[in-house]
Amino acid sequence: AIQMTQSPSSLSASVGDRVTITCRASQDIRNDVGWYQQKPGKAPKVLIFGASTLQSGVPSRFSGSGSGSDFTLTISSLQPEDFATYYCLQDYTYPWTFGQGTKLEI
Amino acid sequence: QVQLVESGGGVVQPGRSLRLSCAASGFIFSRYGMHWVRQAPGKGLEWVAVLSFDGRTPFYGDSVKGRFTISRDNSKNTVFLQMTSLRPEDTAVYYCAKEEVRYGERFAEYWGPGALVTVSS
Repeated sequence: AIQMTQSPSSLSASVGDRVTITCRASQDIRNDVGWYQQKPGKAPKVLIFGASTLQSGVPSRFSGSGSGSDFTLTISSLQPEDFATYYCLQDYTYPWTFGQGTKLEI
Repeated sequence: QVQLVESGGGVVQPGRSLRLSCAASGFIFSRYGMHWVRQAPGKGLEWVAVLSFDGRTPFYGDSVKGRFTISRDNSKNTVFLQMTSLRPEDTAVYYCAKEEVRYGERFAEYWGPGALVTVSS
């Protein structure tokens, strides 16, 4: 199975900060990566698919980039509601695999 | 609007079986692949299984292959996860999710609230 190595595992930041989360795949997966946000006790929510396409309704402060094996999620200016855990997910081949998650904390 | 609701969770002894259901509404169920994803307490997300729109093509995660079976009833807008030979490490919240394909890219667009399965003696 393809391994997704996500970093950092946790991140402390403040409102207004710019933050970056990265995922590295164990092989070339083209641009077949999504980014998901999860808040405590809630189901995940898709933010980005196809490495860089913003899902409808997601604020434009979220952006994704990368191709091949290195991918990045960037939040340009943190808002209070962005404090959550973020996961990358490769959908290049089955089994799909998630990164370990990044907990974004104040 | 799209709704997914899981049911069938509960406490089960190791080695026993359990079947989860996910009832879907608000979209043409028979046109979409459906996934199961789980999350152990305090841990990250783990992809479990997917089934194609027509029910013909399942795929499984390595940790459940041979023990879990995904199926669907398109006449009842429901996807199932039959779990056998359950282990304590299968304890998790199980989410079902609707797959979307847009611009050639697949992703899990909508998710249910989850069902807790606890495997314990």
